[in-house]
Parts: sequence; structure tokens; C-alpha cells
Amino acid sequence: GQNIDQPTEMTATEGAIVQINCTYQTSGFNGLFWYQQHAGEAPTFLSYNVLDGLEEKGRFSSFLSRSKGYSYLLLKELQMKDSASYLCASLDSNYQLIWGAGTKLIIKP
Amino acid sequence: DTEVTQTPKHLVMGMTNKKSLKCEQHMGHRAMYWYKQKAKKPPELMFVYSYEKLSINESVPSRFSPECPNSSLLNLHLHALQPEDSALYLCASSQDMGGSYTEAFFGQGTRLTVV
Repeated sequence: GQNIDQPTEMTATEGAIVQINCTYQTSGFNGLFWYQQHAGEAPTFLSYNVLDGLEEKGRFSSFLSRSKGYSYLLLKELQMKDSASYLCASLDSNYQLIWGAGTKLIIKP
Repeated sequence: DTEVTQTPKHLVMGMTNKKSLKCEQHMGHRAMYWYKQKAKKPPELMFVYSYEKLSINESVPSRFSPECPNSSLLNLHLHALQPEDSALYLCASSQDMGGSYTEAFFGQGTRLTVV
């Protein structure tokens, strides 16, 4: 079967660093996406990894290990506006996005 | 222009009503998607159009009827919905479905309430 696992909820402090993990098992693999979604709004694209390694984009970085079926999203210098759900999604062999349930990130002052 | 525009933003309809959701993109994307998202859940794929042809129908009830009039527009016709169909309906587009796939761009969604 296809399965994406990520923690349900995480809490972090403003200015700190947080790492959100995601493990995946899908039928084929064509890349791993991270999306941010604020409550009641559409998901917005954060990152895409298809090769192993770390991709850095400003305060956000994403890592992929294909052999381990594992990815993480690293958020640095957390700001209150980073409070949102973070969705991990794997692109399967049919180029369909298989979504995780999302990690609700709560930022405290 | 990296926008996917959805209208209306909010919709309240009765169970006997007929309404339509609209989605538009001008990025030249050839794949367009309808998703349904309930609160605190990930998006659930409903339909995929590729090159204006229905490519995937994820066993969606017939009270939801998609239509792709041209490469920029995607509609979702609603008829005889149930209260449990209340959700956020998201439209998305991507460059392609195959090897040219890049990220999917999402519209802001239509918040649908069925009363």
C-alpha cells in the first residue's frame, strides 16, 4: 500500500529551529514535495526533492534520502507566521501526489 | 502569472440546488485537478484532467460532475449534494502529469457548505 507518515503536531519557539520528519512508502517515486497550508487556505509550494540531499531555500530547507524513504523539512529562525500545517506529499509512479495527513506547527513567543 | 483562480470563494447551497465551481489558470499548464479537503485532513484527489481529457476519476459520486471547456478552465458542477459534502474544494494545475511534472499550484479554494 501507499503510506505517508508525519507527526500530527509540533510546538516550537519563535526564533528557534524545527525539523518536521516524513517517511513514505509509495508505488514508485518521482519526488517528494512539502507544502505549507494556513487554516482555511490553499496549500502553497515550499520545496521539491527528487535526488538525495539537502535543498536550501532561505529559512526553509528540505532533505531527502530515497534509500530510507525519508524526508525532513527544516525551518530556521521561526516566525509567528510560520504557524501552519506542513504537508508532505510523494509523487508516485503515476505522477499522482500521495499526501500525508499534515503536521500542525504551533509557534510560541 | 503563477495564479490559479477559483470562484466563488464561499458557497452555501441547499441539497436541491445546482451550482458550479470555477477554476482558471493561464500558466499553460496541461494538467488540472479537483481536490476535496475536510478540516484537519490532507487534500483528497477527486478528478484529474490531462490535455482537456478526464484522466482520473477517483470513484467520485455522480452528484459531482467535472468539465474542462478549454485548457485554461476547469469547472465542477454540483447537484443534489449532501451535508457531508461540505468541505474546501481546491483546484490545482501542473505543467504536465508525466515526466515534465513540476509542482502543483493551488487555487485559494471554495469553501462549500451544504445545508
